[in-house]
Amino acid sequence: GAVVSQHPSRVICKSGTSVKIECRSLDFQATTMFWYRQFPKQSLMLMATSNEGSKATYEQGVEKDKFLINHASLTLSTLTVTSAHPEDSSFYICSARFPKTGQDTTEQFFGPGTRLTVL
Amino acid sequence: GQSLEQPSEVTAVEGAIVQINCTYQTSGFYGLSWYQQHDGGAPTFLSYNGLDGLEETGRFSSFLSRSDSYGYLLLQELQMKDSASYFCAPRRGDRDDKIIFGKGTRLHILP
Repeated sequence: GAVVSQHPSRVICKSGTSVKIECRSLDFQATTMFWYRQFPKQSLMLMATSNEGSKATYEQGVEKDKFLINHASLTLSTLTVTSAHPEDSSFYICSARFPKTGQDTTEQFFGPGTRLTVL
Repeated sequence: GQSLEQPSEVTAVEGAIVQINCTYQTSGFYGLSWYQQHDGGAPTFLSYNGLDGLEETGRFSSFLSRSDSYGYLLLQELQMKDSASYFCAPRRGDRDDKIIFGKGTRLHILP
């Protein structure tokens, strides 16, 4: 299967700082990437859809000014948590999808996740 | 909108067979995917049903009935490593083809 990487795998930061998380598709070009957040013992919550060359589409309730998403190339999307606070501590996971052709739908490949701890 | 129903937890014995059911309501249904997630890890794709019927992949099989808005994941010859959370995820086939995860089913395997 295709490989999606995330960097860093873990990050600890002080409250009020900003943290950037990178998501890369290593062996395919992904026009669409997704960002999820997962709290302990809970399911993954979709935060936003990131399309290359256009603005991200945020799910209801997700602050777009706090979670900045940039999809500058077909292999890289970044999520920046601005002015992080302890309640932002979570597991952030990205996924990438092969480009669609026609009505075909393709599986998504998930990155290994980034564990963010805000002190 | 979308709604998903799965059992929150299932317990089974090593070597046994377990079935995890999923009922869904969603607009523009295209197919049903299943994902596995171990604690601290990322979801991994298990199976996809685009058509009604059974799809078999090794020890795992998945079934879909569109008329009943129902599917299940069948795990055979359970191993301890199968202890994980399992998510059914309808695909709507829209432009973004985004996955909205439900709460998932926590599978506990007993020795």
